[in-house]
Amino acid sequence: SQQGEEDPQALSIQEGENATMNCSYKTSINNLQWYRQNSGRGLVHLILIRSNEREKHSGRLRVTLDTSKKSSSLLITASRAADTASYFCATSIGGTYKYIFGTGTRLKVLA
Amino acid sequence: DVKVTQSSRYLVKRTGEKVFLECVQDMDHENMFWYRQDPGLGLRLIYFSYDVKMKEKGDIPEGYSVSREKKERFSLILESASTNQTSMYLCASSLWGESQYEQYFGPGTRLTVT
Repeated sequence: SQQGEEDPQALSIQEGENATMNCSYKTSINNLQWYRQNSGRGLVHLILIRSNEREKHSGRLRVTLDTSKKSSSLLITASRAADTASYFCATSIGGTYKYIFGTGTRLKVLA
Repeated sequence: DVKVTQSSRYLVKRTGEKVFLECVQDMDHENMFWYRQDPGLGLRLIYFSYDVKMKEKGDIPEGYSVSREKKERFSLILESASTNQTSMYLCASSLWGESQYEQYFGPGTRLTVT
């Protein structure tokens, strides 16, 4: 099974609303990243949060990390139609080069 | 800006053909990766390279090989393409080191094997 699993699988909201998506993982991590993928394109890095951090902000993005629950959430505030994309979390496990990606949350923002 | 380019956006090959997918990055990154992306399965790591001529198997290396003769270029080779290798292939690069785990992705190659 996947190390990182996003929830929900799909999310549809109105423009201006906030979007929250969650990522759960199974083993201890060094850090966790969130990526965005527009339809049929490559992934774009959004934000990285380290295992000793609890919250991080970048523009309209807010990421939290709860290592006791092995979960992270990505909040996009005041969403725009351009935020329509798939969002993936990726976890890094102890000193390795590997990142393990989840299956993603498909976000649709309706204008 | 970091730029990762892939040789083709779309590729159609026949079963049994040898297929080369090329990836080039322009930021002097040590690490380069090849993933495949399939619906419902997310991204799965095929191979990884941390230096020229160095490579390590990822989670699904069977049916694939790689080549890294120059630091900026990482090639994925399908020795004998099969229909179950129809997929989106994504190349990525990153700097080596604790604080530099961000990956930069190319636009992807959608490969169809008929």
